[in-house]
Amino acid sequence: QSVLTQPPSVSAAPGQKVTISCSGSSSNIGNNFVSWYRQLPGTAPKLLIYDNNKRPSGIPDRFSGSKSGTSATLGITGLQTGDEADYFCGTWDSSLSAVVFGGGTKLTVL
Amino acid sequence: QVQLVQSGAEVKKPGASVKVSCKASGYTFTRYYIHWVRQAPGQGLECMGIINPSGGSTSYAQKFQGRVTMTRDTSTSTVYMELSSLRSEDTAVYYCAREGSGYCMDVWGQGTTVTVSS
Repeated sequence: QSVLTQPPSVSAAPGQKVTISCSGSSSNIGNNFVSWYRQLPGTAPKLLIYDNNKRPSGIPDRFSGSKSGTSATLGITGLQTGDEADYFCGTWDSSLSAVVFGGGTKLTVL
Repeated sequence: QVQLVQSGAEVKKPGASVKVSCKASGYTFTRYYIHWVRQAPGQGLECMGIINPSGGSTSYAQKFQGRVTMTRDTSTSTVYMELSSLRSEDTAVYYCAREGSGYCMDVWGQGTTVTVSS
């Protein structure tokens, strides 16, 4: 049982837009920055978004992040088949004094 | 370039211990905290704890307290994670990751598969 809640799966057609939600509480998302990661099969996670909405160098602007209250959202536009992967949200939890993650969302590009 | 390179796969028997290494390069080792995160087969990410390579201070997730030890060697820019009293549920891929802004993990090791089986 993950501390942060994500939908198990989402799907959309190539070229379309998809959003992935991440729900938490005041001890984590509500008072801390959120980051997002993409994990391709058999590989390590890769940072996509940090500090709620910032993109590391090399991450295209097709990827965006937002936060409102105790929830955060990852948006991906112009979907490509190469975007098929698992996506995780993460943040610091002040009550647990640890980084916590969502259970992950599997994106399928139909 | 900035990278974290981990040691190779391990197979251990229940009750044994495993020690995984994570060698940093391409940046100042003592300036960034290192997290250890594990992922059981088909499961999500689970944070085990964090080490400050500068002073060696650590903070472990409650679930692993008493079983995990994180250390570092500044002379080789390497951090270590040792997990003891292994059980089958510890079978997972173990990652080290560098902490960036806002507790994000901006650089990840390639992962080390630990299999616990009798």
